Amino acid sequence: GAVVSQHPSWVICKSGTSVKIECRSLDFQATTMFWYRQFPKQSLMLMATSNEGSKATYEQGVEKDKFLINHASLTLSTLTVTSAHPEDSSFYICSALSPSTDTQYFGPGTRLTVL
Amino acid sequence: AQSVTQPDIHITVSEGASLELRCNYSYGATPYLFWYVQSPGQGLQLLLKYFSGDTLVQGIKGFEAEFKRSQSSFNLRKPSVHWSDAAEYFCAVGAGSGTASKLTFGTGTRLQVTL
Repeated sequence: GAVVSQHPSWVICKSGTSVKIECRSLDFQATTMFWYRQFPKQSLMLMATSNEGSKATYEQGVEKDKFLINHASLTLSTLTVTSAHPEDSSFYICSALSPSTDTQYFGPGTRLTVL
Repeated sequence: AQSVTQPDIHITVSEGASLELRCNYSYGATPYLFWYVQSPGQGLQLLLKYFSGDTLVQGIKGFEAEFKRSQSSFNLRKPSVHWSDAAEYFCAVGAGSGTASKLTFGTGTRLQVTL
């Protein structure tokens, strides 16, 4: 149980385009999901907390207009990187909070490369 | 604010040897503590967690961790390491449940296993 999927697993896009990443909890409902960014050989940095049916809460320094988060259902949150630039290239990881265990379960990550 | 310190950036052990990965946290109340493992290019897998109760917790893959409040530590141990344990290990602390459960991660410890 407690499986979280992400799609796509990797994406390459041109500078200036937008990219959408999906995060799904497959076997539980998650009112809260989280989006992280991880640079090579570094730890995870929380970008935002996504709550179903309400606006996301962004961490300090994260541009909310650039990283659009939508949590339209109890099993799906999306992160859209708008007008992507090479500096947005990174490994993006989502997690879903299981309400029954108070534990975050992580997706496999999405590697974004912006050319 | 909560914080996590993993003093060892890189550890090398021989297969079959014992392992201890250190984790120290800073938090004003009783923390929620986690150990996650990340293989290259992958998301994070939960090894074990501590919320309350018995301070020695057992996890998957033969790992265990001990919560020591007096030392603000939550060290991860394994009596006999296997080559497949080579990965990046992250300790994390959470402040509570629900939307308060956002995690703060340590910088990670990379484990290398020699045959």
